[in-house]
Parts: sequence; C-alpha cells; structure tokens
Amino acid sequence: EPEVTQTPSHQVTQMGQEVILRCVPISNHLYFYWYRQILGQKVEFLVSFYNNEISEKSEIFDDQFSVERPDGSNFTLKIRSTKLEDSAMYFCASSRAENQPQHFGDGTRLSIL
Amino acid sequence: KNEVEQSPQNLTAQEGEFITINCSYSVGISALHWLQQHPGGGIVSLFMLSSGKKKHGRLIATINIQEKHSSLHITASHPRDSAVYICAVSISNFGNEKLTFGTGTRLTIIP
Repeated sequence: EPEVTQTPSHQVTQMGQEVILRCVPISNHLYFYWYRQILGQKVEFLVSFYNNEISEKSEIFDDQFSVERPDGSNFTLKIRSTKLEDSAMYFCASSRAENQPQHFGDGTRLSIL
Repeated sequence: KNEVEQSPQNLTAQEGEFITINCSYSVGISALHWLQQHPGGGIVSLFMLSSGKKKHGRLIATINIQEKHSSLHITASHPRDSAVYICAVSISNFGNEKLTFGTGTRLTIIP
C-alpha cells in the first residue's frame, strides 16, 4: 500500500539554525498538510497546500515557516530560524481529494538545542 | 472555532473487554475522523465518517450529527489495541480540509 514518507525521522538542530523537513506524499494525492505535536500535547494544524499554493495556515505558521512542493513529488516544510519552542513532532499528511481520509507519515521529531 | 473533547483521557481494561471512547464537538462539521497513534508516534487513520456507523474488523465507529457526538468501540480488546486513539473533525473548504484534533484517549489493554 502506498505510504507517505518523511525524512529525517529525527533532526537535532541548534537554535537559530534553519531546518528543512521533507515529505513525499502518496503520488496521486492532491491535498497536503503539515501538523505538529508538542510532547504531551494534542496535534495542531500548521498549513494546508493545494494546487501549488497555501490554502490555509494557522497562527503558528508565522513568517519563520514556509512550504514548497518543488518538483511534483516532495513537499517540504522550512523553519528559517528555529526556536526552542519549535521542538515537536512534525507530521505530513496527504489526501486524494476532499472528503477522503488523510494519510500520515511517521513524523519527524525535531529537537532544538 | 471547533472544540473537540474526548473521554476518557486514559482507559485501562482487561483483554477481551468491550471498549468505548467518546468524542464530542462544538460546531457543524463535514466529517469526523478516528485515528490511532502508536507508541512510536505514527498516526493511522481508522475511520472517516459523516453519518451513521462504520465497522472494520473489531472496530466500530458511530456518529450522531444532531448531538455532535461520536463513539469508537473495540470489541474483544487485545493488548495490541493499546495505543492513543484520537478524534478529529474537518470542515471542507475548497483546497483545505484541515483536521482539528482532540487530546486523545490513551488505551491500555492488560493481558
């Protein structure tokens, strides 16, 4: 069965550094999402992406964050200048259409030191 | 803004018991999702439903749209069912069907 794959599984970065989290959604999917989960808290929406543009972003998704789908297969989340509070598990998800289940990757655990 | 509440937060049961996890939400939705989060952190979609009832193996999900309430049932529970079960809701909006998550129910099944 096709899967959403995320790399790396764990990223450790110094505060202030840039980090890029990578996702390969399922190939025929059209809707893409990033979510994050701070340790011990619920999963939160960051951003949705459709038709090569952001369709909605949350208050968390400030100017430090950006997303790209550079080549039709990868979907990346960039954090420009990381803060301690960016430490979390980041999940990528994709779906084939509206009203279809979202398929999640295994997540990238981001640790900011 | 949609609030999603789950109960209980933690549930421990003996193998074989019938399990019920509840979810309520505050505003109208397009669909309700039940997800399973494994100890390693990965999330798997179990059900997506907008009305009635769905069944997959030993898992049953029901939703009452009028009461804004859903339940997830597990029959003949097994230790491998131990995980965090998360309720989430979505509202379709062209190009976006973001999920709003509940806090999850940690289920532990004791052999």
